[in-house]
Order: sequence, then structure tokens, then C-alpha cells
Amino acid sequence: DGGITQSPKYLFRKEGQNVTLSCEQNLNHDAMYWYRQDPGQGLRLIYYSQIVNDFQKGDIAEGYSVSREKKESFPLTVTSAQKNPTAFYLCASSKQPYQPQHFGDGTRLSIL
Amino acid sequence: AQSVTQLGSHVSVSEGALVLLRCNYSSSVPPYLFWYVQYPNQGLQLLLKYTSAATLVKGINGFEAEFKKSETSFHLTKPSAHMSDAAEYFCAVSSSSGGYNKLIFGAGTRLAVHP
Repeated sequence: DGGITQSPKYLFRKEGQNVTLSCEQNLNHDAMYWYRQDPGQGLRLIYYSQIVNDFQKGDIAEGYSVSREKKESFPLTVTSAQKNPTAFYLCASSKQPYQPQHFGDGTRLSIL
Repeated sequence: AQSVTQLGSHVSVSEGALVLLRCNYSSSVPPYLFWYVQYPNQGLQLLLKYTSAATLVKGINGFEAEFKKSETSFHLTKPSAHMSDAAEYFCAVSSSSGGYNKLIFGAGTRLAVHP
């Protein structure tokens, strides 16, 4: 079955450390997205990519970086510049913008 | 700019009662609208979508939503709540800026169903 795979499910970060969250899809979707979810705040867009080798900042991109070298993969790096990284991170994809987004099961990031 | 407002962060209903979750949107162009459901520690699952066809949209698990342009609303309903409907629900609207397209999500409504 096609879908989106996020790994790891749980991740811990030490102070001053960069960590990378993996997102892989085998749906042949062109667009991919990263969201951050905090209690009571819904989903906030971090970065999105409509095609390979192109990505755009979302509403809360500071302290994060991404790459889109392959259609199937859209990894998110949480850098040490992100001072409050504890959150639930969701990756999504869609065939084209405006079409429904399919979501992975998320990665929960915590600070040690 | 497009935006979404979900009225009520928490809604509680009895099993078998009507479920009504409210969503109002702001959009300068005809919108695409979506409802998603999220169970604990999982991603979001699409319930239904409006893409300018029929104004009454039927989705999965017995949910439906009606697009009302005059009220800029897209409320989600289900005639009879089931215990398994307890989850968080998100309304989303399409947004376009500078040639790039994305979804804007509401803050979510947590639905509790009690016996």
C-alpha cells in the first residue's frame, strides 16, 4: 500500500544539537509539507515543496531547514537555532496543490 | 488572506446525539475546503472535501458538511455520534500566494462522546 512514512516515531534532542526527521512517500506525489503541532494551536506550516529542488518557507521556518533532492523524500532538520523544538511534527504530501493532503503518523520530538 | 476559524475548541455530545462542528472561512477566491480527523498520536485523515461541485458533501464514517457561501461556513455534521468518533477535527481552506499553494488549518475542535 502506498503511504507516507515518518521516522523515527520518537526523537530526543540535546541542547545545541541538530536533528533530522525523515519523511518518505511512495504515492508519486509532487507536493510535500512539514507541519508543527502544539496543543491548542492546530497545525502550523514550517516548509513546503511543490516540486523537486524547490521549497518555500511556511509560517514558522526559523530554526528549521529542508531539502528536496528526490521526489519521494523531504527531510526536515531541526537546528540548534530552534529554541523551543518540543512538538509533534507531521509530514504530508499531495498530488498537486489544492488536492487533499495525505499525512504520516508523525514524529514526537522532545528535549533532553 | 485566507483564514479558518473553528468555533469551540472542545465539544461534548452524548452517544447517539447530533454532532455539529463549526467552521468559518475567509477567502477572496472560491475556496477548496477540507475536514480532517486526528486520533491520538496519529496523523490526520481526510474526512471530506469541497471543490466547488455539490454544496452538500458526504464523507467517510457518516459525516457530511454543507458549503454556505453567504455565511462563509463549512460546518461538519453527523446525525448520530458513536464512541469511536471521539477525536480532534480540523477544518482547512486552500490558500494561494505568489504562485505557491498550500492549506490553512483551523485550531481544531476536540470532540468527546460520552455514554
